[in-house]
Amino acid sequence: DVKVTQSSRYLVKRTGEKVFLECVQDMDHENMFWYRQDPGLGLRLIYFSYDVKMKEKGDIPEGYSVSREKKERFSLILESASTNQTSMYLCASSREDINYGYTFGSGTRLTVV
Amino acid sequence: RKEVEQDPGPFNVPEGATVAFNCTYSNSASQSFFWYRQDCRKEPKLLMSVYSSGNEDGRFTAQLNRASQYISLLIRDSKLSDSATYLCAVSGGYQKVTFGTGTKLQVIP
Repeated sequence: DVKVTQSSRYLVKRTGEKVFLECVQDMDHENMFWYRQDPGLGLRLIYFSYDVKMKEKGDIPEGYSVSREKKERFSLILESASTNQTSMYLCASSREDINYGYTFGSGTRLTVV
Repeated sequence: RKEVEQDPGPFNVPEGATVAFNCTYSNSASQSFFWYRQDCRKEPKLLMSVYSSGNEDGRFTAQLNRASQYISLLIRDSKLSDSATYLCAVSGGYQKVTFGTGTKLQVIP
């Protein structure tokens, strides 16, 4: 069964900490994405990547960075966590042909205290 | 105006009913359209892509109206298991997809 795996389901971090969220896909997909999902705001794109070592800013990149050193792995980094980054973070991957849609990971619920 | 807009609902319908959701988008250059289903505390899962000519998958029918810039999802013979939030998604460019905030459906026995 093909899938996208996110390293943690729940995470609690302190304000100011550097936080790493890991995502691995086993489908050999070219494209990978990080979204956050908040009530009333829906899914918002943070960063995405079309290829190894390639990254593009999404709609809300401030306070985040990403790393894609290998095709199967896409990491989201919160440089200095803040309380307004408390959210559900969802990683997704897709084939080059967008009409196959995204496959999402099960999400990481991050709480910054 | 939001790029993608949906009525949040909830839509409460009895089992066996037919229910339809609409989703409007603002970018007339949008190229790809999707419906996703999201169960409570779960990740979104692709329900179906929406093609220009419309498409059907069992009890689900999706339509695209480019002139009025909306997509629709029709669910016939609703089941209890259809209860979920339905997200529409629109792509205006290479792989970047914008999601609506979702429409909640509750099917009642």
